[in-house]
Amino acid sequence: SAVISQKPSRDICQRGTSLTIQCQVDSQVTMMFWYRQQPGQSLTLIATANQGSEATYESGFVIDKFPISRPNLTFSTLTVSNMSPEDSSIYLCSAKRGSGAYEQYFGPGTRLTVT
Amino acid sequence: GDSVTQMEGPVTLSEEAFLTINCTYTATGYPSLFWYVQYPGEGLQLLLKATKADDKGSNKGFEATYRKETTSFHLEKGSVQVSDSAVYFCALFTGNQFYFGTGTSLTVIP
Repeated sequence: SAVISQKPSRDICQRGTSLTIQCQVDSQVTMMFWYRQQPGQSLTLIATANQGSEATYESGFVIDKFPISRPNLTFSTLTVSNMSPEDSSIYLCSAKRGSGAYEQYFGPGTRLTVT
Repeated sequence: GDSVTQMEGPVTLSEEAFLTINCTYTATGYPSLFWYVQYPGEGLQLLLKATKADDKGSNKGFEATYRKETTSFHLEKGSVQVSDSAVYFCALFTGNQFYFGTGTSLTVIP
């Protein structure tokens, strides 16, 4: 298994500011992902964090708004830039060991409120 | 496109009641199917999975059978406990990425 921690666990931010969320995995993993979980809605994949190269973004998400870093096989960051109240959500970090149907592990999430 | 449709909640049951949470899917090919559980304040945890038709996944008294003919993967438990109170997510993996249902909140009262 893999244990994933995220920091911060929650934050309240002002409109127009940026927040960087950190994700740490306790062991090396092949793939890392960032999801958004809005109240009453399904998890939405934001992007796949690629080690040593630019992240792969899903439709509707762009690098300028959600820059992602992954400097090694155990760590990634997601920045939510120029925030608006619509960005209020839970942001989840996730990791898999392989590209097949292996278990996907999730962090506890970062609850973001933008005022 | 690929998707998962999950029974809406919230669901409230008395302890020892029978639980069913419906999940149906749409996918091309042969996806793997999963149930994840999210306890309050925690991340999603894998509850059970099935990788091919007619497979039954089971864990902690929960079961789900991969039904290709009805494209379903319903979650069941014969006797729920207060500690089962959580949000349950059905998910499918198509070989490229995971798709999640909207989650079903379950509250079990003593």
